[in-house]
Amino acid sequence: QKEVEQDPGPLSVPEGAIVSLNCTYSNSAFQYFMWYRQYSRKGPELLMYTYSSGNKEDGRFTAQVDKSSKYISLFIRDSQPSDSATYLCAMSEWGTDKLIFGTGTRLQVFP
Amino acid sequence: DSGVTQTPKHLITATGQRVTLRCSPRSGDLSVYWYQQSLDQGLQFLIQYYNGEERAKGNILERFSAQQFPDLHSELNLSSLELGDSALYFCASSGPNEQFFGPGTRLTVL
Repeated sequence: QKEVEQDPGPLSVPEGAIVSLNCTYSNSAFQYFMWYRQYSRKGPELLMYTYSSGNKEDGRFTAQVDKSSKYISLFIRDSQPSDSATYLCAMSEWGTDKLIFGTGTRLQVFP
Repeated sequence: DSGVTQTPKHLITATGQRVTLRCSPRSGDLSVYWYQQSLDQGLQFLIQYYNGEERAKGNILERFSAQQFPDLHSELNLSSLELGDSALYFCASSGPNEQFFGPGTRLTVL
């Protein structure tokens, strides 16, 4: 069983929709939780970073962490065609920079 | 542009060969990380160097090795290449709470 599980999609939604992306994990030592966005033929770029349970908002993006359920989510409001990319969750333990990634969810937002 | 550079962008080689991938971190970053991204395994951590010293190791094969030089650039050496080594190889360097990824090197082993 992988330490981090992520639905690979693909997810196809109309412009303006609310998108929910999710990851589950099994390692209770994970303390840092990140969402990366990866456009085709590019390297991943950090979208959101959090280390506590609860919600963190940044513009149209909200990251949610539930440590008791070992579940994290990324919500995208008012999705745009430019949001079409692969979204990767990533996690790490306290005191280490080693990131464990989910396999990524491919999102397509059509006009 | 993340500030991390990787060369070459593409590499096509044959089984059994050896290749070297190069990475230059962002100015001022002391840590360099190498990742492998394949369709079936996703993005997997290989190894981390900090200021020339190996800091952490992931699922890196014995046929693979890396080093970080005094000018902080890093090289990933892949030898005795197999078809299954075909993948995207990313380098990242870190600022506070964030790893910045380079554009990657696409390796194709024929």
